[in-house]
Amino acid sequence: AQSVSQHNHHVILSEAASLELGCNYSYGGTVNLFWYVQYPGQHLQLLLKYFSGDPLVKGIKGFEAEFIKSKFSFNLRKPSVQWSDTAEYFCAVNARAAGNKLTFGGGTRVLVKP
Amino acid sequence: KAGVTQTPRYLIKTRGQQVTLSCSPISGHRSVSWYQQTPGQGLQFLFEYFSETQRNKGNFPGRFSGRQFSNSRSEMNVSTLELGDSALYLCASSRLEDNEQFFGPGTRLTVL
Repeated sequence: AQSVSQHNHHVILSEAASLELGCNYSYGGTVNLFWYVQYPGQHLQLLLKYFSGDPLVKGIKGFEAEFIKSKFSFNLRKPSVQWSDTAEYFCAVNARAAGNKLTFGGGTRVLVKP
Repeated sequence: KAGVTQTPRYLIKTRGQQVTLSCSPISGHRSVSWYQQTPGQGLQFLFEYFSETQRNKGNFPGRFSGRQFSNSRSEMNVSTLELGDSALYLCASSRLEDNEQFFGPGTRLTVL
């Protein structure tokens, strides 16, 4: 069974700081990878996804993530955060043999101080 | 186009009761998945339906069940509610081809 771990539970940073959230997964087969964001009071929204091809993927709102297959990692980055990036971020993995089942990491709460 | 809708948005039940939650997927989406979100366990997969058939199931007891109708709308049912079933239940829909799932706002279930 696959598992996903996110290294940080809470991150606090100031506006304009750079953000990097770690995500590692455990699964031996082919996977699709996702980062979702949950803003306060809102539902889960897709930030970006990786299915195949260029391992550096760009998403919405200036976010990007890099898939490193040898490290089973899919880290999320943003060069300069804004107060509006305050949210909870979830990494998720879908094993291609498992239909649409997503396995989520525990989430990282990010607080951006103005 | 309209997003995933879930009804009701909030629900309060007592132990031992049963509950039915509803999900309407995005038009054209044929796959519907259900997830439970709690502070302690995070987001956990319940089951996925496609073409009225359960395609995947998570590790939840048999008290949790679901179904999908011919118009792709889905319901999930929880029988004999326990306090630990208090959670946000999320529905997600996708086209089968690309596995990108779109989530609804969830139903907040409180069991007293």
